[in-house]
Amino acid sequence: TQLLEQSPQFLSIQEGENLTVYCNSSSVFSSLQWYRQEPGEGPVLLVTVVTGGEVKKLKRLTFQFGDARKDSSLHITAAQPGDTGLYLCAGRLYNQGGKLIFGQGTELSVKP
Amino acid sequence: KAGVTQTPRYLIKTRGQQVTLSCSPISGHRSVSWYQQTPGQGLQFLFEYFSETQRNKGNFPGRFSGRQFSNSRSEMNVSTLELGDSALYLCASSLGGVLAPDTQYFGPGTRLTVL
Repeated sequence: TQLLEQSPQFLSIQEGENLTVYCNSSSVFSSLQWYRQEPGEGPVLLVTVVTGGEVKKLKRLTFQFGDARKDSSLHITAAQPGDTGLYLCAGRLYNQGGKLIFGQGTELSVKP
Repeated sequence: KAGVTQTPRYLIKTRGQQVTLSCSPISGHRSVSWYQQTPGQGLQFLFEYFSETQRNKGNFPGRFSGRQFSNSRSEMNVSTLELGDSALYLCASSLGGVLAPDTQYFGPGTRLTVL
């Protein structure tokens, strides 16, 4: 059983559509990070959220950390083909040092 | 500021051999974590080193080991390679503080293929 459940695992949409990716857990995280990964490359950090209820915006991307710090969401408005890639959420548990718990990832394909 | 670098980028080995991967963290970062990424299991934590000491360890067999040098550079070693060790090995560096968020920044990875 995954400690951090990410959904959906695959998403294929048309350019201009909106989408939301979810990460859920029964555990409380001290912080949660979202990454985007291109094939054959390492994950690139998009955002870190720390405070329960926190909302951060990065252009067309909106990230939210749940009030109880157990879940997070990534919303993309008016998706572009350049948004195509693997999106990963990763949570940091208390007293676990640098260990990140990753979700399974969401493979997003945005077609022109 | 230069990012995290990993060498080599690609490696092909045969079963039973051993391999050493290298990671140079971002300047000033004292923590280096290693992850294994496979299509079936996703990203899984191997271990973390901070100030030359292993601070945290994942659920991998003893064939997987690592170390960190005084300049924070880290190496990961896998002995007696198995076919299932084929994966993208990623290292990530961070300042290493115990308070959130201590964001981790990833290198490009080393693609290991075991034949």
